[in-house]
Order: sequence, then C-alpha cells, then structure tokens
Amino acid sequence: DGGITQSPKYLFRKEGQNVTLSCEQNLNHDAMYWYRQDPGQGLRLIYYSQIVNDFQKGDIAEGYSVSREKKESFPLTVTSAQKNPTAFYLCASRQGGLAGELFFGEGSRLTVL
Amino acid sequence: SQQGEEDPQALSIQEGENATMNCSYKTSINNLQWYRQNSGRGLVHLILIRSNEREKHSGRLRVTLDTSKKSSSLLITASRAADTASYFCATDGGSNYKLTFGKGTLLTVNP
Repeated sequence: DGGITQSPKYLFRKEGQNVTLSCEQNLNHDAMYWYRQDPGQGLRLIYYSQIVNDFQKGDIAEGYSVSREKKESFPLTVTSAQKNPTAFYLCASRQGGLAGELFFGEGSRLTVL
Repeated sequence: SQQGEEDPQALSIQEGENATMNCSYKTSINNLQWYRQNSGRGLVHLILIRSNEREKHSGRLRVTLDTSKKSSSLLITASRAADTASYFCATDGGSNYKLTFGKGTLLTVNP
C-alpha cells in the first residue's frame, strides 16, 4: 500500500547527541515536510522540500538539518544545538500545487533524557 | 507563526449531538483544509475548501468559509464516540507549498 513510513516510532536520546529520524514515501510526491508537535500545541513547520536536492527552512529550523537526495526520502537530523528537542515529529508529503492535501506518517516521539 | 486558530480549544458532547469548531486566520489564502488527529497518531486529511467556495460537504462533515471574516467552521453531524480526536485547520497563506496549522480543537464524544 502507498503511504509514508516514519521510523523509529519512539526514540530516546542523551543530551549532546545527534539523532536522525527517517521518513520514506512511496506516493511519488514531489513535496515533503517535517513538523514538530508539542503537547496541546499545533504543528510547527521545521523544514520542507519541494523537489529533490532542494529544501527550505520553516518557522523553527534552528537546531535541525535535512537532506533530500532521493524523491522518496527526507530524513531529519535533530542536532545537539536544538535546545528543547523532546517532542512528537511528523513527516508529511503532497503532490504539490495549490490544491494538494498532506499525507502524514504516524510520527516519531523523541525523548531527551 | 500560527496562521489558523481554532475555537474552542476543547469541546465535550454526547453521542448523536452535532459538533461545531471554528477557525480564524490572518492572511489571504488559496484554500483551507481540515485535518483530524487521533491521540499519538498522524494527521488525516478530512476536507479542503477553496477560497472561492463558501460551503462544502463530505458525509457527516460540513465546512463553511467566509473569506471576508477570514474564518471557517467545521460541523460534524450526529457525532459518534469514534469521532473523538483533535481537529486542526490548515491554511496556505497564499503559498503554493507551505501549510500552517492551528493549535486544534480537542473533541470528546461521550457514549
């Protein structure tokens, strides 16, 4: 079945460590997104990519990095520079254009110990 | 920055009742979308309404859009316990690619 796969679902990290969250889609979508969600909060955009080998910062990009080497993959690295990384991370994709709905993965919950 | 803001933050109703959630936004849009999120899960797209549309239906969902007031409402009729979830509106702010979400309305439907 087509969809978006995020891994791992749960991740624990010690302070000072970088971690990489995986996001893979087989929907042949051009655009991919990373959002962060904190308890009781909406989604805040970290990074997005409209096309392979291109990406833009969202509203809260500091302390995060991404790459888009393949159309189907958009990994997110949470670096040690991110001050408060404990959160629920959601990856999404869409075909693009004005009318595209977002398709979300099931999320990755990162906890910094 | 939060483009859309949902109201109320939380809503508790009995099964069979209707639930209405509102969304206000700040800038011009091409379209507005509503999503649903079950606890600890990803978001699921419910409905999209374009800026030149005033009302749209999908099953038990009815969405309205008033661009002059920069607001939208989501009505769920004859609610069920399975409708318990958080509901978010998302706007594109006129951008082709960037969607901005509100903080959501937590709907609880009591059996």
